[in-house]
Amino acid sequence: DTAVSQTPKYLVTQMGNDKSIKCEQNLGHDTMYWYKQDSKKFLKIMFSYNNKELIINETVPNRFSPKSPDKAHLNLHINSLELGDSAVYFCASGASGSWNEQFFGPGTRLTVL
Amino acid sequence: AQSVTQLGSHVSVSEGALVLLRCNYSSSVPPYLFWYVQYPNQGLQLLLKYTSAATLVKGINGFEAEFKKSETSFHLTKPSAHMSDAAEYFCAVSEGNAGNMLTFGGGTRLMVKP
Repeated sequence: DTAVSQTPKYLVTQMGNDKSIKCEQNLGHDTMYWYKQDSKKFLKIMFSYNNKELIINETVPNRFSPKSPDKAHLNLHINSLELGDSAVYFCASGASGSWNEQFFGPGTRLTVL
Repeated sequence: AQSVTQLGSHVSVSEGALVLLRCNYSSSVPPYLFWYVQYPNQGLQLLLKYTSAATLVKGINGFEAEFKKSETSFHLTKPSAHMSDAAEYFCAVSEGNAGNMLTFGGGTRLMVKP
Protein backbone atom coordinates (compact mmCIF):
# COMPACT_ATOMS: atom_id res chain seq x y z
CA ASP A 1 0.00 0.00 0.00
CA THR A 2 1.42 3.32 -1.07
CA ALA A 3 1.37 5.83 1.79
CA VAL A 4 1.66 9.04 -0.26
CA SER A 5 0.99 8.80 -3.97
CA GLN A 6 1.25 11.36 -6.73
CA THR A 7 0.06 11.42 -10.30
CA PRO A 8 1.45 11.77 -12.81
CA LYS A 9 5.05 10.74 -12.21
CA TYR A 10 6.24 12.58 -15.30
CA LEU A 11 4.66 15.59 -16.96
CA VAL A 12 5.99 17.18 -20.13
CA THR A 13 4.15 20.19 -21.48
CA GLN A 14 4.49 23.38 -23.46
CA MET A 15 4.90 26.88 -22.07
CA GLY A 16 1.61 28.59 -21.43
CA ASN A 17 -0.34 25.41 -20.72
CA ASP A 18 -2.27 24.70 -17.52
CA LYS A 19 -1.60 21.43 -15.66
CA SER A 20 -2.50 19.70 -12.42
CA ILE A 21 -0.69 17.30 -10.14
CA LYS A 22 -2.66 15.13 -7.74
CA CYS A 23 -1.64 13.85 -4.34
CA GLU A 24 -3.30 11.37 -2.02
CA GLN A 25 -2.27 9.99 1.35
CA ASN A 26 -3.73 7.03 3.21
CA LEU A 27 -1.92 7.60 6.49
CA GLY A 28 -4.73 9.46 8.21
CA HIS A 29 -2.60 12.60 8.54
CA ASP A 30 -4.21 16.00 8.94
CA THR A 31 -1.48 18.07 7.27
CA MET A 32 -0.26 17.95 3.68
CA TYR A 33 2.47 19.85 1.86
CA TRP A 34 3.85 20.69 -1.54
CA TYR A 35 7.63 21.08 -2.00
CA LYS A 36 9.57 22.06 -5.09
CA GLN A 37 12.98 20.54 -5.84
CA ASP A 38 14.96 22.43 -8.43
CA SER A 39 17.64 21.16 -10.79
CA LYS A 40 20.29 21.60 -8.09
CA LYS A 41 18.31 19.35 -5.74
CA PHE A 42 17.33 22.27 -3.49
CA LEU A 43 14.04 21.62 -1.70
CA LYS A 44 11.68 24.42 -0.73
CA ILE A 45 8.24 24.43 0.85
CA MET A 46 5.48 25.86 -1.29
CA PHE A 47 2.25 25.22 0.59
CA SER A 48 0.97 23.56 3.72
CA TYR A 49 -2.62 22.54 4.41
CA ASN A 50 -4.01 21.49 7.77
CA ASN A 51 -7.47 19.96 7.82
CA LYS A 52 -8.14 21.37 4.36
CA GLU A 53 -7.12 24.90 5.37
CA LEU A 54 -4.14 26.73 3.96
CA ILE A 55 -1.51 27.26 6.66
CA ILE A 56 1.63 28.13 4.76
CA ASN A 57 1.87 29.90 1.45
CA GLU A 58 5.46 30.74 0.75
CA THR A 59 6.51 33.17 -1.93
CA VAL A 60 5.03 31.30 -4.82
CA PRO A 61 3.58 32.92 -7.97
CA ASN A 62 -0.19 33.03 -7.89
CA ARG A 63 -0.15 30.87 -11.01
CA PHE A 64 0.19 28.03 -8.50
CA SER A 65 -3.04 27.18 -6.74
CA PRO A 66 -3.35 24.31 -4.29
CA LYS A 67 -6.70 22.71 -3.57
CA SER A 68 -7.57 20.31 -0.80
CA PRO A 69 -10.96 18.65 -1.33
CA ASP A 70 -10.52 16.59 1.83
CA LYS A 71 -7.81 15.75 4.35
CA ALA A 72 -6.47 12.90 2.24
CA HIS A 73 -5.96 14.89 -0.95
CA LEU A 74 -3.97 17.95 -1.93
CA ASN A 75 -3.79 18.88 -5.59
CA LEU A 76 -1.60 21.46 -7.25
CA HIS A 77 -2.83 23.38 -10.27
CA ILE A 78 -0.41 25.48 -12.29
CA ASN A 79 -1.58 28.06 -14.81
CA SER A 80 0.39 29.53 -17.69
CA LEU A 81 3.40 27.30 -17.22
CA GLU A 82 6.84 28.84 -17.62
CA LEU A 83 10.25 27.32 -18.32
CA GLY A 84 11.30 28.07 -14.75
CA ASP A 85 8.55 25.87 -13.40
CA SER A 86 10.47 22.81 -14.55
CA ALA A 87 11.30 20.90 -11.38
CA VAL A 88 10.34 17.90 -9.31
CA TYR A 89 7.31 18.54 -7.13
CA PHE A 90 6.91 16.51 -3.98
CA CYS A 91 3.80 16.05 -1.95
CA ALA A 92 4.18 15.16 1.73
CA SER A 93 1.92 14.48 4.67
CA GLY A 94 2.34 14.51 8.40
CA ALA A 95 0.50 14.54 11.69
CA SER A 96 0.15 17.79 13.63
CA GLY A 97 3.14 18.53 15.84
CA SER A 98 6.58 19.72 14.93
CA TRP A 99 8.25 16.54 16.12
CA ASN A 100 6.41 14.46 13.62
CA GLU A 101 8.18 13.56 10.46
CA GLN A 102 6.73 14.15 7.06
CA PHE A 103 6.17 11.31 4.62
CA PHE A 104 6.98 12.11 1.03
CA GLY A 105 5.47 10.97 -2.20
CA PRO A 106 7.61 9.75 -5.11
CA GLY A 107 7.57 13.12 -6.84
CA THR A 108 6.31 14.48 -10.14
CA ARG A 109 8.95 15.56 -12.61
CA LEU A 110 7.55 18.52 -14.56
CA THR A 111 9.31 19.57 -17.75
CA VAL A 112 8.17 22.72 -19.50
CA LEU A 113 9.32 23.07 -23.10
CA ALA B 1 14.06 32.39 10.77
CA GLN B 2 15.46 28.92 10.51
CA SER B 3 18.16 27.76 8.11
CA VAL B 4 20.29 24.70 7.46
CA THR B 5 23.77 24.43 5.99
CA GLN B 6 25.21 21.19 4.77
CA LEU B 7 28.95 21.39 4.30
CA GLY B 8 30.07 19.54 1.21
CA SER B 9 27.67 19.02 -1.64
CA HIS B 10 29.56 15.83 -2.54
CA VAL B 11 31.22 13.32 -0.23
CA SER B 12 33.08 10.27 -1.48
CA VAL B 13 34.09 7.36 0.76
CA SER B 14 35.34 3.86 0.22
CA GLU B 15 33.16 0.91 1.06
CA GLY B 16 33.67 0.05 4.71
CA ALA B 17 34.90 3.52 5.63
CA LEU B 18 33.30 5.94 8.06
CA VAL B 19 30.57 8.17 6.69
CA LEU B 20 30.32 11.71 8.07
CA LEU B 21 27.83 14.16 6.61
CA ARG B 22 27.79 17.59 8.20
CA CYS B 23 24.78 19.70 9.08
CA ASN B 24 24.63 23.00 10.91
CA TYR B 25 21.42 24.79 11.67
CA SER B 26 20.22 28.19 12.72
CA SER B 27 17.08 28.49 14.77
CA SER B 28 15.57 31.03 17.11
CA VAL B 29 13.91 28.34 19.20
CA PRO B 30 14.89 24.80 20.20
CA PRO B 31 14.70 22.99 16.92
CA TYR B 32 13.46 19.66 15.75
CA LEU B 33 15.98 18.14 13.33
CA PHE B 34 15.66 15.50 10.67
CA TRP B 35 17.82 13.60 8.22
CA TYR B 36 16.21 12.33 5.03
CA VAL B 37 17.69 10.18 2.26
CA GLN B 38 16.73 10.36 -1.40
CA TYR B 39 17.63 7.55 -3.76
CA PRO B 40 17.69 8.31 -7.49
CA ASN B 41 14.28 9.12 -8.90
CA GLN B 42 12.56 8.53 -5.61
CA GLY B 43 10.98 10.56 -2.84
CA LEU B 44 12.53 11.32 0.51
CA GLN B 45 12.72 8.74 3.25
CA LEU B 46 13.26 9.59 6.90
CA LEU B 47 16.53 8.31 8.35
CA LEU B 48 16.22 9.72 11.84
CA LYS B 49 14.94 12.66 13.87
CA TYR B 50 15.86 14.64 16.95
CA THR B 51 12.95 15.79 19.08
CA SER B 52 14.64 17.08 22.25
CA ALA B 53 15.00 13.69 23.93
CA ALA B 54 18.35 11.89 23.67
CA THR B 55 21.02 13.90 21.90
CA LEU B 56 22.39 10.80 20.15
CA VAL B 57 19.78 9.55 17.77
CA LYS B 58 19.87 6.20 16.02
CA GLY B 59 18.14 5.74 12.73
CA ILE B 60 17.63 3.17 10.04
CA ASN B 61 20.34 1.43 8.02
CA GLY B 62 22.95 1.89 10.75
CA PHE B 63 22.97 5.70 10.65
CA GLU B 64 23.07 7.90 13.71
CA ALA B 65 23.35 11.61 14.43
CA GLU B 66 24.32 13.66 17.44
CA PHE B 67 22.68 16.92 18.38
CA LYS B 68 25.20 19.43 19.72
CA LYS B 69 23.53 22.61 20.84
CA SER B 70 26.80 24.44 21.52
CA GLU B 71 27.92 23.82 17.95
CA THR B 72 24.43 24.09 16.42
CA SER B 73 25.22 20.88 14.61
CA PHE B 74 23.47 17.63 13.79
CA HIS B 75 26.03 15.60 11.86
CA LEU B 76 25.11 12.22 10.39
CA THR B 77 27.46 9.28 10.74
CA LYS B 78 27.71 5.61 9.87
CA PRO B 79 30.67 3.49 10.96
CA SER B 80 30.97 1.48 7.77
CA ALA B 81 29.72 2.58 4.37
CA HIS B 82 27.93 0.19 2.08
CA MET B 83 27.48 0.54 -1.65
CA SER B 84 23.73 0.81 -1.11
CA ASP B 85 24.25 3.99 0.95
CA ALA B 86 25.03 5.97 -2.20
CA ALA B 87 22.27 8.59 -2.35
CA GLU B 88 21.43 12.23 -1.66
CA TYR B 89 21.10 13.15 2.01
CA PHE B 90 19.14 16.10 3.32
CA CYS B 91 19.21 17.69 6.74
CA ALA B 92 16.08 19.60 7.75
CA VAL B 93 14.88 21.73 10.65
CA SER B 94 11.47 22.54 12.03
CA GLU B 95 10.87 25.28 14.58
CA GLY B 96 7.40 24.24 15.52
CA ASN B 97 5.77 27.04 13.61
CA ALA B 98 2.30 26.77 12.25
CA GLY B 99 2.14 24.12 9.61
CA ASN B 100 5.30 22.36 10.79
CA MET B 101 7.28 23.72 7.88
CA LEU B 102 10.56 21.95 7.13
CA THR B 103 13.54 23.97 5.98
CA PHE B 104 16.06 21.83 4.12
CA GLY B 105 19.77 22.10 3.62
CA GLY B 106 21.18 21.97 0.13
CA GLY B 107 21.80 18.24 0.28
CA THR B 108 24.95 16.11 0.18
CA ARG B 109 25.51 13.47 -2.44
CA LEU B 110 27.25 10.47 -0.93
CA MET B 111 29.29 8.35 -3.30
CA VAL B 112 30.68 4.99 -2.18
CA LYS B 113 33.66 3.53 -3.98
CA PRO B 114 34.23 -0.21 -4.08
